[in-house]
Amino acid sequence: QSVLTQPPSASGTPGQRVTISCSGSSSNIGTNYVYWYQQLPGTAPKLLIYRNDQRPSGVPDRFSGSKSGTSASLAISGLRSEDEADYYCAAWDDSLSGPVVFGGGTKLTVL
Amino acid sequence: QVQLQESGPGLVKPSETLSLTCTVSGGSISSYYWSWVRQPPGKGLEWIGSMYHSGSTNYNPSLKSRVTISIDTSKNQFSLKLTSVTAADTAVYYCARGGSKQWLVDYWGQGTLVTVSS
Repeated sequence: QSVLTQPPSASGTPGQRVTISCSGSSSNIGTNYVYWYQQLPGTAPKLLIYRNDQRPSGVPDRFSGSKSGTSASLAISGLRSEDEADYYCAAWDDSLSGPVVFGGGTKLTVL
Repeated sequence: QVQLQESGPGLVKPSETLSLTCTVSGGSISSYYWSWVRQPPGKGLEWIGSMYHSGSTNYNPSLKSRVTISIDTSKNQFSLKLTSVTAADTAVYYCARGGSKQWLVDYWGQGTLVTVSS
């Protein structure tokens, strides 16, 4: 049971816009930054979004992050086949659950 | 570009101690926190703990009693020790840069599979 809640799966067709949600609480998302990671099959996770909505250099602007209250979202526009991967949200947690908590991950399928 | 590389035994017997080392290149280990994260086969990510070169540490409460993270600044390396392992500790172990309230993880190593079995 993950501290941050994500849907186990999501899907879309090429060119579509998909969003992945991440729900937490006041001790994590509510007061700390949210990070998003992309994990392609058989590889290490890669930082996709940091501090809620910032993209590292090299990450396409098709990827965007947002946060509102105790929830966050990752949006992928212009979906491409190479976006098929697992996506994880993470945050610092000020409670006894922490300090670093991950979501359970969302498997994105490009149909 | 910071690069991280895990090394250590791929097989550990139950009740023994898992020991891994992460070598950092392309940057000094005397900046940032440094973390260990694991991923059981077919499952999600679990943060193990992090350490700053000054000695400050953060540990996952569920693993804290069995985990020790240390840093060797002279070798630009940091290490993980996990005691009394069971089959439930079988996972791909990643080392990573970051692990504080101000900065979570950014760069990751490629990961190393550690299997706990007799």
